[in-house]
Amino acid sequence: GAGVSQSPSNKVTEKGKDVELRCDPISGHTALYWYRQSLGQGLEFLIYFQGNSAPDKSGLPSDRFSAERTGGSVSTLTIQRTQQEDSAVYLCASSLDGEPQHFGDGTRLSIL
Amino acid sequence: AQSVTQLDSQVPVFEEAPVELRCNYSSSVSVYLFWYVQYPNQGLQLLLKYLSGSTLVKGINGFEAEFNKSQTSFHLRKPSVHISDTAEYFCAVSERDGTYKYIFGTGTRLKVLA
Repeated sequence: GAGVSQSPSNKVTEKGKDVELRCDPISGHTALYWYRQSLGQGLEFLIYFQGNSAPDKSGLPSDRFSAERTGGSVSTLTIQRTQQEDSAVYLCASSLDGEPQHFGDGTRLSIL
Repeated sequence: AQSVTQLDSQVPVFEEAPVELRCNYSSSVSVYLFWYVQYPNQGLQLLLKYLSGSTLVKGINGFEAEFNKSQTSFHLRKPSVHISDTAEYFCAVSERDGTYKYIFGTGTRLKVLA
């Protein structure tokens, strides 16, 4: 079946603009995660959606970052007033409870 | 608090030599354990997982890992590496407390030398 899909695959924008990154998880997966990976670095947890529970937003680096998950499926990560330090690969993953995460290929965000 | 430690940020090894990538975790509850691999410019792929049962887990590409509860470790091993194994390897845990939140280690870059 289809895996986790992220769009766009690449995004180049000017400093100060808002961006929206989309994640389509595997159908039926109750958990959805967003991570950020800077060049040559590990995974930085951003936000975690689990079923109908309130999302765990503890990893969001500032109030410029927000995410929502509509209908328990598609998720959008929004970054407002982008800064150069926001440049990174943003990875989305989904899973069933306790099962391995399935990752998308990521969105490479470049802030000019 | 839940945490995952991968002490080796980089591991160089010659082709056909064995390799071990170390992972230690801390948690107050039982955990599920995973190893993922990331090839350049790609997302993460699952290598292997420990959910329950035998503590020696075999994964794809000839990798295996052993869960040691007393040492809270889940080291990844391969008896003979190939150039194509050059990648970033991440250890992760998921706590069995109902949240199933994942914590990833900082990764180990395996570089296989000819």
